[in-house]
Amino acid sequence: EDKVVQSPLSLVVHEGDTVTLNCSYEVTNFRSLLWYKQEKKAPTFLFMLTSSGIEKKSGRLSSILDKKELFSILNITATQTGDSAVYLCAVEAAGGTSYGKLTFGQGTILTVHP
Amino acid sequence: KAGVTQTPRYLIKTRGQQVTLSCSPISGHRSVSWYQQTPGQGLQFLFEYFSETQRNKGNFPGRFSGRQFSNSRSEMNVSTLELGDSALYLCASSRGSMMGEKLFFGSGTQLSVL
Repeated sequence: EDKVVQSPLSLVVHEGDTVTLNCSYEVTNFRSLLWYKQEKKAPTFLFMLTSSGIEKKSGRLSSILDKKELFSILNITATQTGDSAVYLCAVEAAGGTSYGKLTFGQGTILTVHP
Repeated sequence: KAGVTQTPRYLIKTRGQQVTLSCSPISGHRSVSWYQQTPGQGLQFLFEYFSETQRNKGNFPGRFSGRQFSNSRSEMNVSTLELGDSALYLCASSRGSMMGEKLFFGSGTQLSVL
């Protein structure tokens, strides 16, 4: 059974701090790893990673995948109160039984204080 | 471009009743996936539909069912509700024509079973 474990489960920082969120996974026939941000209700897409060692970057957020060690990290620099949210890591397996199916971790609750 | 729309936003039911939730995907998206989110289990995959056919199914009892219409709108039904069915039900859409497409989520339906 596919498994995703995120750490830490919660994190409290102050504006301007840099945070690193971790995601380790076990999946049969890996296809991709995705990061989502969930504020209130709807998870919003951040990154999709399929190749090892390639960094994806969007503004203050960046993510990298290590397919050998089976983990990914999400970095947020110069945090702002608007970054407060639950960050979800998910993996997708390859194969016909994986349509629409992502396996999610428990999420990391990030709280950024002014 | 309108996002994924779910109705209703909130629902309160009693044990034994049944409920139908609705999801309208992003225009042009033909795949709709459903997820259940609870504090204890996180986000769990229910099923996925593409062109009115169920292509994938998670590990939920038969009380959970769904369907998709020719306009790609989808409904999810839960019969004989149990207290443990209280959760946020999220749907997500994608073009669905190939694997590895990112999912776009709606804001969910918050179901409370009393």
